[in-house]
Parts: sequence; C-alpha cells; structure tokens
Amino acid sequence: GIQVEQSPPDLILQEGANSTLRCNFSDSVNNLQWFHQNPWGQLINLFYIPSGTKQNGRLSATTVATERYSLLYISSSQTTDSGVYFCAVGIRGGADGLTFGKGTHLIIQP
Amino acid sequence: DAGVTQSPTHLIKTRGQQVTLRCSPKSGHDTVSWYQQALGQGPQFIFQYYEEEERQRGNFPDRFSGHQFPNYSSELNVNALLLGDSALYLCASSLAKRGLGGSIRYEQYFGPGTRLTVT
Repeated sequence: GIQVEQSPPDLILQEGANSTLRCNFSDSVNNLQWFHQNPWGQLINLFYIPSGTKQNGRLSATTVATERYSLLYISSSQTTDSGVYFCAVGIRGGADGLTFGKGTHLIIQP
Repeated sequence: DAGVTQSPTHLIKTRGQQVTLRCSPKSGHDTVSWYQQALGQGPQFIFQYYEEEERQRGNFPDRFSGHQFPNYSSELNVNALLLGDSALYLCASSLAKRGLGGSIRYEQYFGPGTRLTVT
C-alpha cells in the first residue's frame, strides 16, 4: 500500500515563529488532506489539497503531486497552534480510506 | 449545519466482550468511514460504507464489522475484544462533490471519536 512519511516528528518553537511541515507519499494520489488534532482527539480539517497551493489566514499548503510531496506552512505561530498535524492521502479520489502519516507534534511555547 | 457525531464518548469493556459504536454523518453526506487510532499513532482505516454496503476494507480482522442504515448513519461492531483494541475510534463522513475543472472531491470530515478501553 501507499506509504506516507511526515517530518519532522517533533517541533518546538517560540510564539511568533514560522514553521514548515513536510509530507512525502510513495504513489500518485487523488486526495490529500491536512488535519490538526487537538488535545481532545478531534481532527480538524485544514486543507483539501491534492495539488496546487491554498492559503487560509496564517496557514498555507502546497502539494507538488508530480514530486509526491506536500508542505504545510504556519506563520506567526500562536500557542493555540500546538497539537499534532497529520497528512492523509487517498488514491481513488477519496472513494477509499485515507492513509495517514505518523504526524508532526508541534509545541508552541509562549 | 450539524457535523459528524459519535456515541458514546467513552467506553470501558472487558476482554472477550462485544462493543457497538455509533456514528451520524454530517448533514447531506452519504459515505461513512471508520478509523482506529492507537495512542501516539496516526489513524488507521478500518472500512468504508456507501449505499449500505462495505465499499472498502483496511487490514483489520473479521472481528470488526459494520453496518450503514438508510439514513446514512453507521455502526462499528467489535467482537471478542482484545486488550490491543483499546484506542480512539474515529468516524468520518464524505460526499462526492464536483470540484473545479470537473474533478470529484471527497473531502472527509471527522467526528470527535469514541475512546474505548479494554481491561
């Protein structure tokens, strides 16, 4: 099956810093989503981005499908950005289960 | 617009027992997927239901079974519970949407999860 690797596994930053999270995948995908999991376990949708670039406030994401990677950028980090960030992919346009990476655990210190 | 809901929130069961978890999809969604998330890991796909049938299944034993009802809600059943079944169980719903350029979009939305502890 498809492999998804996220880096770095852990990241500790000061409030106000910028960060880049990476997701590499081993095969062509038709679905790629970024999620933020809060301390209570809720997965919050950040981006649906099988290709291209999107921005939402301080967050933006880029997927280069031909090179099989996606990047999540967080600018001017806030303590509320802390948590685990997951990249998840699907190969049948979403008519299948998502395969998740192991996540990046982000801690933003005040 | 109601999001994905799951019940119960928490559950404690004994090894060997059976458990049923429930999920109601986001309004308008017709597809439900179930995932298991062990502590410190990413969610793992169990199976997906569409039109009341299992459309795809991940690498989980037959002890894990499911059902989808005509109103698109779904149940996950686990028989003969093992200690290793302790996890957060997540339900996700989706609906095929025509995106820009004619592509089909199946963005999945997750519920808050059911935390199962097997003792």
